[in-house]
Amino acid sequence: TQLLEQSPQFLSIQEGENLTVYCNSSSVFSSLQWYRQEPGEGPVLLVTVVTGGEVKKLKRLTFQFGDARKDSSLHITAAQPGDTGLYLCAGADLANFGNEKLTFGTGTRLTIIP
Amino acid sequence: KAGVTQTPRYLIKTRGQQVTLSCSPISGHRSVSWYQQTPGQGLQFLFEYFSETQRNKGNFPGRFSGRQFSNSRSEMNVSTLELGDSALYLCASSSGTSGGQETQYFGPGTRLLVL
Repeated sequence: TQLLEQSPQFLSIQEGENLTVYCNSSSVFSSLQWYRQEPGEGPVLLVTVVTGGEVKKLKRLTFQFGDARKDSSLHITAAQPGDTGLYLCAGADLANFGNEKLTFGTGTRLTIIP
Repeated sequence: KAGVTQTPRYLIKTRGQQVTLSCSPISGHRSVSWYQQTPGQGLQFLFEYFSETQRNKGNFPGRFSGRQFSNSRSEMNVSTLELGDSALYLCASSSGTSGGQETQYFGPGTRLLVL
């Protein structure tokens, strides 16, 4: 069974600070996605990383895929209250390409204090 | 383009009953996946349907079943409900033709409470 562990599980920081969320696994994934979920809604895709070592930037968010495609990180610069939410990483199964099944991480609940 | 819709949004049932949840994917999408989200277990994959066929299945008991219609709308059914089935049930749609690298669009979910 593929598992994705996220750390930290909870994070509460002041507006303007920087933070990093980690997503780790012992399994290799063909791609890894990051989602943000707000209360009462479904997860919304932020980014997909495909190539080992890939770095993608989305405004103040920087996503990195590990060289071995087993781990990923999300770094937020100058956090704002609008960044508050549940952040989920999700890996696509390498063994069955064409498989729509995603394995989701345990989640990081982020709170930005104004 | 309308997003993924799920009905009902909230549901209260008692143990032993059965429940049917519905999901309408984005127009043109042929793949619908179902997930269960709980505070303790997080988001777990239930099954995926593509062109009316179950293409992938997670590790859930046979009480959880689903189907997909010719218009790609999908339903999932849970029979003999247990307290532990209380969760947010999410469906996600995608075109289903590009493997795990394409975007899955999630609906708002159906929150099921089993008493």
